[in-house]
Amino acid sequence: EPEVTQTPSHQVTQMGQEVILRCVPISNHLYFYWYRQILGQKVEFLVSFYNNEISEKSEIFDDQFSVERPDGSNFTLKIRSTKLEDSAMYFCASSGEGGNQPQHFGDGTRLSIL
Amino acid sequence: AQSVSQHNHHVILSEAASLELGCNYSYGGTVNLFWYVQYPGQHLQLLLKYFSGDPLVKGIKGFEAEFIKSKFSFNLRKPSVQWSDTAEYFCAVTGPLSGAGSYQLTFGKGTKLSVIP
Repeated sequence: EPEVTQTPSHQVTQMGQEVILRCVPISNHLYFYWYRQILGQKVEFLVSFYNNEISEKSEIFDDQFSVERPDGSNFTLKIRSTKLEDSAMYFCASSGEGGNQPQHFGDGTRLSIL
Repeated sequence: AQSVSQHNHHVILSEAASLELGCNYSYGGTVNLFWYVQYPGQHLQLLLKYFSGDPLVKGIKGFEAEFIKSKFSFNLRKPSVQWSDTAEYFCAVTGPLSGAGSYQLTFGKGTKLSVIP
Protein backbone atom coordinates (compact mmCIF):
# COMPACT_ATOMS: atom_id res chain seq x y z
CA GLU A 1 0.00 0.00 0.00
CA PRO A 2 1.41 3.43 -0.87
CA GLU A 3 2.64 5.45 2.08
CA VAL A 4 3.38 8.99 3.07
CA THR A 5 7.04 9.25 4.02
CA GLN A 6 8.60 11.87 6.26
CA THR A 7 12.21 12.78 6.88
CA PRO A 8 13.98 13.08 9.19
CA SER A 9 12.35 10.97 11.88
CA HIS A 10 13.98 13.11 14.56
CA GLN A 11 15.41 16.61 14.25
CA VAL A 12 17.26 18.40 17.03
CA THR A 13 17.80 22.12 16.47
CA GLN A 14 19.02 25.10 18.46
CA MET A 15 16.44 27.77 19.24
CA GLY A 16 16.43 30.48 16.59
CA GLN A 17 17.61 28.19 13.82
CA GLU A 18 15.63 27.41 10.71
CA VAL A 19 14.36 23.89 10.18
CA ILE A 20 12.82 22.18 7.15
CA LEU A 21 10.69 19.09 7.56
CA ARG A 22 10.18 17.00 4.48
CA CYS A 23 7.32 14.86 3.28
CA VAL A 24 6.66 12.77 0.22
CA PRO A 25 2.87 12.41 -0.13
CA ILE A 26 1.20 9.53 -1.93
CA SER A 27 1.87 10.11 -5.61
CA ASN A 28 -1.66 10.60 -6.99
CA HIS A 29 -2.90 12.63 -4.03
CA LEU A 30 -3.83 16.27 -4.49
CA TYR A 31 -4.41 17.60 -0.97
CA PHE A 32 -1.55 17.95 1.49
CA TYR A 33 -1.61 18.76 5.17
CA TRP A 34 0.66 19.40 8.13
CA TYR A 35 -0.41 18.68 11.68
CA ARG A 36 1.52 18.80 14.92
CA GLN A 37 1.19 17.16 18.31
CA ILE A 38 2.85 18.68 21.33
CA LEU A 39 3.63 16.02 23.93
CA GLY A 40 0.50 15.14 25.89
CA GLN A 41 -1.78 17.30 23.76
CA LYS A 42 -4.12 16.88 20.81
CA VAL A 43 -3.07 16.52 17.20
CA GLU A 44 -3.60 20.03 15.81
CA PHE A 45 -4.10 21.17 12.24
CA LEU A 46 -1.50 23.59 10.89
CA VAL A 47 -2.08 24.04 7.17
CA SER A 48 -3.56 22.51 4.06
CA PHE A 49 -2.25 22.87 0.52
CA TYR A 50 -4.04 22.31 -2.76
CA ASN A 51 -3.32 23.31 -6.32
CA ASN A 52 0.03 24.82 -5.34
CA GLU A 53 -1.31 27.17 -2.73
CA ILE A 54 -2.37 27.23 0.90
CA SER A 55 -6.09 26.55 1.14
CA GLU A 56 -6.47 26.85 4.90
CA LYS A 57 -4.27 27.55 7.88
CA SER A 58 -4.77 27.64 11.61
CA GLU A 59 -3.83 30.41 14.01
CA ILE A 60 -0.75 28.38 14.92
CA PHE A 61 0.56 28.78 11.37
CA ASP A 62 1.98 32.28 11.73
CA ASP A 63 4.65 34.09 9.72
CA GLN A 64 7.34 31.79 11.12
CA PHE A 65 5.90 28.91 9.13
CA SER A 66 5.83 28.30 5.41
CA VAL A 67 5.07 25.38 3.13
CA GLU A 68 6.28 24.55 -0.31
CA ARG A 69 5.94 21.92 -2.96
CA PRO A 70 9.29 22.48 -4.67
CA ASP A 71 8.88 19.66 -7.18
CA GLY A 72 6.29 17.08 -8.11
CA SER A 73 6.92 14.86 -5.13
CA ASN A 74 8.07 16.73 -2.02
CA PHE A 75 6.00 18.83 0.38
CA THR A 76 8.00 20.77 2.95
CA LEU A 77 7.29 22.67 6.15
CA LYS A 78 9.78 25.37 7.08
CA ILE A 79 10.01 27.02 10.47
CA ARG A 80 12.11 30.17 10.08
CA SER A 81 13.29 30.89 13.60
CA THR A 82 12.43 28.06 15.93
CA LYS A 83 11.19 28.58 19.46
CA LEU A 84 11.17 26.15 22.38
CA GLU A 85 7.40 25.79 22.04
CA ASP A 86 7.82 24.47 18.48
CA SER A 87 9.03 21.19 19.98
CA ALA A 88 6.44 18.64 18.87
CA MET A 89 5.73 15.74 16.59
CA TYR A 90 4.92 17.00 13.09
CA PHE A 91 2.75 14.85 10.85
CA CYS A 92 2.30 15.19 7.14
CA ALA A 93 -0.85 13.83 5.50
CA SER A 94 -2.27 13.62 2.01
CA SER A 95 -5.62 12.77 0.48
CA GLY A 96 -7.03 12.13 -2.93
CA GLU A 97 -9.51 13.94 -5.14
CA GLY A 98 -12.45 15.31 -3.18
CA GLY A 99 -11.87 17.00 0.13
CA ASN A 100 -13.60 14.31 2.16
CA GLN A 101 -11.30 11.51 1.16
CA PRO A 102 -9.52 9.95 4.14
CA GLN A 103 -6.17 11.46 4.96
CA HIS A 104 -3.14 9.19 4.99
CA PHE A 105 -0.47 10.07 7.52
CA GLY A 106 3.27 9.74 7.63
CA ASP A 107 5.21 8.45 10.64
CA GLY A 108 5.96 11.98 11.78
CA THR A 109 9.09 13.98 12.54
CA ARG A 110 9.93 14.57 16.17
CA LEU A 111 11.29 18.12 16.41
CA SER A 112 13.25 18.96 19.54
CA ILE A 113 14.28 22.58 20.07
CA LEU A 114 17.10 23.17 22.55
CA ALA B 1 -15.34 26.14 15.75
CA GLN B 2 -15.45 22.39 15.82
CA SER B 3 -14.28 20.46 18.84
CA VAL B 4 -14.04 16.77 19.60
CA SER B 5 -14.17 15.21 23.06
CA GLN B 6 -12.96 11.76 23.94
CA HIS B 7 -14.11 10.82 27.38
CA ASN B 8 -11.48 8.33 28.42
CA HIS B 9 -7.80 9.09 28.60
CA HIS B 10 -6.65 5.55 29.32
CA VAL B 11 -8.65 2.34 29.19
CA ILE B 12 -7.28 -0.96 30.46
CA LEU B 13 -9.03 -4.18 29.47
CA SER B 14 -8.38 -7.88 29.59
CA GLU B 15 -8.35 -9.85 26.36
CA ALA B 16 -11.85 -10.84 25.15
CA ALA B 17 -13.48 -7.92 26.99
CA SER B 18 -15.76 -5.65 25.02
CA LEU B 19 -14.67 -2.15 24.17
CA GLU B 20 -16.52 1.10 23.77
CA LEU B 21 -14.67 4.40 23.40
CA GLY B 22 -16.71 7.56 23.53
CA CYS B 23 -16.47 10.45 21.11
CA ASN B 24 -18.60 13.57 20.96
CA TYR B 25 -18.24 16.48 18.58
CA SER B 26 -19.58 19.99 18.73
CA TYR B 27 -20.10 21.03 15.12
CA GLY B 28 -23.77 21.24 14.19
CA GLY B 29 -23.53 21.06 10.42
CA THR B 30 -22.74 18.21 8.07
CA VAL B 31 -19.66 16.39 9.27
CA ASN B 32 -17.46 13.52 8.25
CA LEU B 33 -16.34 11.36 11.15
CA PHE B 34 -13.25 9.22 11.51
CA TRP B 35 -11.50 6.96 13.93
CA TYR B 36 -7.75 6.67 13.57
CA VAL B 37 -5.48 4.28 15.44
CA GLN B 38 -1.81 4.70 16.27
CA TYR B 39 0.01 1.50 17.22
CA PRO B 40 3.21 1.99 19.23
CA GLY B 41 5.92 3.43 17.00
CA GLN B 42 3.67 3.65 13.95
CA HIS B 43 1.78 6.31 12.06
CA LEU B 44 -1.89 7.18 12.34
CA GLN B 45 -3.98 4.68 10.40
CA LEU B 46 -7.61 4.98 9.41
CA LEU B 47 -9.85 2.49 11.26
CA LEU B 48 -13.18 3.58 9.83
CA LYS B 49 -15.08 6.57 8.53
CA TYR B 50 -18.62 7.87 8.29
CA PHE B 51 -19.74 10.23 5.55
CA SER B 52 -23.44 9.41 5.09
CA GLY B 53 -25.89 6.51 4.92
CA ASP B 54 -26.02 3.68 7.44
CA PRO B 55 -25.03 5.18 10.80
CA LEU B 56 -23.41 1.91 11.87
CA VAL B 57 -20.10 1.67 10.09
CA LYS B 58 -17.73 -1.24 10.09
CA GLY B 59 -13.99 -0.80 9.89
CA ILE B 60 -10.91 -2.91 9.86
CA LYS B 61 -9.94 -5.46 12.52
CA GLY B 62 -13.50 -5.99 13.77
CA PHE B 63 -14.08 -2.40 14.87
CA GLU B 64 -17.35 -0.59 14.31
CA ALA B 65 -18.75 2.80 15.21
CA GLU B 66 -22.22 4.22 15.47
CA PHE B 67 -23.10 7.76 14.45
CA ILE B 68 -25.93 9.15 16.58
CA LYS B 69 -26.73 12.57 15.19
CA SER B 70 -29.03 13.60 18.04
CA LYS B 71 -26.25 12.96 20.56
CA PHE B 72 -23.42 14.32 18.38
CA SER B 73 -21.66 11.06 19.10
CA PHE B 74 -19.55 8.57 17.18
CA ASN B 75 -18.53 5.86 19.64
CA LEU B 76 -16.10 3.14 18.69
CA ARG B 77 -16.84 -0.46 19.63
CA LYS B 78 -15.31 -3.88 19.43
CA PRO B 79 -17.01 -6.96 20.94
CA SER B 80 -13.81 -8.74 21.95
CA VAL B 81 -10.43 -7.04 22.15
CA GLN B 82 -7.06 -8.66 21.62
CA TRP B 83 -3.63 -7.81 22.97
CA SER B 84 -2.72 -6.53 19.50
CA ASP B 85 -5.38 -3.80 19.84
CA THR B 86 -3.13 -2.02 22.34
CA ALA B 87 -2.75 1.41 20.78
CA GLU B 88 -3.94 4.99 20.96
CA TYR B 89 -7.30 5.75 19.33
CA PHE B 90 -8.23 9.15 17.95
CA CYS B 91 -11.64 10.37 16.95
CA ALA B 92 -11.63 13.11 14.30
CA VAL B 93 -14.09 15.28 12.44
CA THR B 94 -14.06 17.29 9.25
CA GLY B 95 -16.62 19.76 8.06
CA PRO B 96 -16.68 21.91 4.95
CA LEU B 97 -15.22 25.03 6.51
CA SER B 98 -14.58 27.07 3.42
CA GLY B 99 -16.04 25.26 0.48
CA ALA B 100 -13.97 23.18 -1.88
CA GLY B 101 -10.28 22.71 -1.34
CA SER B 102 -9.65 21.66 2.23
CA TYR B 103 -11.07 19.50 4.94
CA GLN B 104 -8.90 19.88 7.99
CA LEU B 105 -9.24 17.19 10.62
CA THR B 106 -10.12 18.23 14.14
CA PHE B 107 -8.91 15.54 16.53
CA GLY B 108 -9.89 14.50 20.00
CA LYS B 109 -7.16 14.09 22.62
CA GLY B 110 -6.97 10.37 22.05
CA THR B 111 -7.65 7.34 24.23
CA LYS B 112 -4.86 5.01 25.12
CA LEU B 113 -6.03 1.39 25.16
CA SER B 114 -3.99 -1.21 27.00
CA VAL B 115 -5.10 -4.81 26.59
CA ILE B 116 -3.77 -7.26 29.14
CA PRO B 117 -3.21 -10.81 27.88
